[in-house]
Amino acid sequence: QKEVEQDPGPLSVPEGAIVSLNCTYSNSAFQYFMWYRQYSRKGPELLMYTYSSGNKEDGRFTAQVDKSSKYISLFIRDSQPSDSATYLCAMIKAAGNKLTFGGGTRVLVKP
Amino acid sequence: NAGVMQNPRHLVRRRGQEARLRCSPMKGHSHVYWYRQLPEEGLKFMVYLQKENIIDESGMPKERFSAEFPKEGPSILRIQQVVRGDSAAYFCASSPFAVGGADTQYFGPGTRLTVL
Repeated sequence: QKEVEQDPGPLSVPEGAIVSLNCTYSNSAFQYFMWYRQYSRKGPELLMYTYSSGNKEDGRFTAQVDKSSKYISLFIRDSQPSDSATYLCAMIKAAGNKLTFGGGTRVLVKP
Repeated sequence: NAGVMQNPRHLVRRRGQEARLRCSPMKGHSHVYWYRQLPEEGLKFMVYLQKENIIDESGMPKERFSAEFPKEGPSILRIQQVVRGDSAAYFCASSPFAVGGADTQYFGPGTRLTVL
């Protein structure tokens, strides 16, 4: 079983819809959580970084962490075709340095 | 303010040759990480280095792979005697410091290695 599970998609939504992404993890040692966006043949770009359980909002993006359920989410409001990409969740253990990634969810926003 | 730089962006090698991948971290960053992304797979950690030190190489294959981050110059990931299974995208990330995982890593554009 993978430490971090993420539905590969693809997830297809119409422009303007809310995109909902999530990851589950099995190891409670993970304490810090990130979401990266990766366009085709490009490097991952950091979108959100969270630590505590709860919500964090940045523009059209909202990240949620539920440590009790070992579940994290990313919501993208008012989605645009330029949001079409692969979204990767990643996490780090306390006092750790290496990111553990989910497999990524491919998102397609149709005009 | 340049981000993480990697070169070459594309590298083609024949089986048995050596591949050298270079990474220059963001200005002010002294921590470098290498990750590999195999086709249809997620990113996997390989190695974490600080200047002149390998801190964590738990993700490195036991043979043929090595990494360094010298006092001067870029970090180098070296793959000796490449095989077709080494074909992947190799990403470098850097961070300014690493304190209990609170730090964030910024990624370069990657080097795509193709082994013929």
